[in-house]
Amino acid sequence: EVHLVESGGGLVKPGGSLRLSCAASGFPFSSYTMNWVRQAPGKGLEWVSSISSGGTYIYYADSLKGRVTISRDNAQNSLYLHLNSLSADDTAVYYCAKDAGVGWSPPTFDYWGRGTLVTVSS
Amino acid sequence: EIVLTQSPATLSLSPGESATLSCRASQSVSSYLDWYQQKPGQAPRLLIYDASNRATGIPARFSGSGSGTDFTFTISSLEPEDVAVYYCQQRSDWPPLTFGGGTKVEIK
Repeated sequence: EVHLVESGGGLVKPGGSLRLSCAASGFPFSSYTMNWVRQAPGKGLEWVSSISSGGTYIYYADSLKGRVTISRDNAQNSLYLHLNSLSADDTAVYYCAKDAGVGWSPPTFDYWGRGTLVTVSS
Repeated sequence: EIVLTQSPATLSLSPGESATLSCRASQSVSSYLDWYQQKPGQAPRLLIYDASNRATGIPARFSGSGSGTDFTFTISSLEPEDVAVYYCQQRSDWPPLTFGGGTKVEIK
C-alpha cells in the first residue's frame, strides 16, 4: 500500500526558512516523478513543484521560484522541499503527491499524503 | 498558463439526485484533464484521469466526459458521503500545472 507522510511544517517568522520532508513507502519510489501541492486555508489547490524520478528535471511554480528548492533521496525514499524568504502568503498545508505514470510528463496525482501545515506569522 | 474555470461554485442537491459539474479550460487540453475529490479535513483523492477514466477503486456513480476545452463530471446518484469539494486539473501543458477553483457539493 502506498504511503506518503509529510513532516517539517510549523510556525515560522516572515523571512524565515523551513525544510519539509515526505517519507514514501509501498511503491518503487525511484521510478516516479514526485510533487508538492499546497493549499492555503480555505482556498483551492496550487501546484508548487515537481521533480523527475532521478532528480534530473525540476519545475517550479512562478509564485515560489527563487525561494524554493525541491530535492529527493531515492536511497532513503524521501522527498524534500526547502522554503526560503517565507511570507504570510506561503501559509498553507503542503501536500506530497505521487505521479500516476512513469517518465517526465505532466503528472496525474494518484496518491497524496495528509499534508503538513506551514504557518508564517510574527 | 492554462486557466480552468469550474462551475457552479456550489451545488446543493438531495440524496439520489444527479450532480453535474463543469470545468472549462482557457485553451484546449485535449483529454488531459483529471478530477479530484477533497472531503473536509482530508487530502484530495484522484477520481477521474484523462477526462473519463475512473481511478482504481472509484465507484461507477462517478464519471467524466469531454475533451478540448469543455469537461463534465457527474455523480449519478448523490450519496451523503459525496459531500466534498471537487477540483479539475489539467496536465496538457506545464509549467505550471493548474487546478480549477473547485465546486462544493452539499446535501440538502
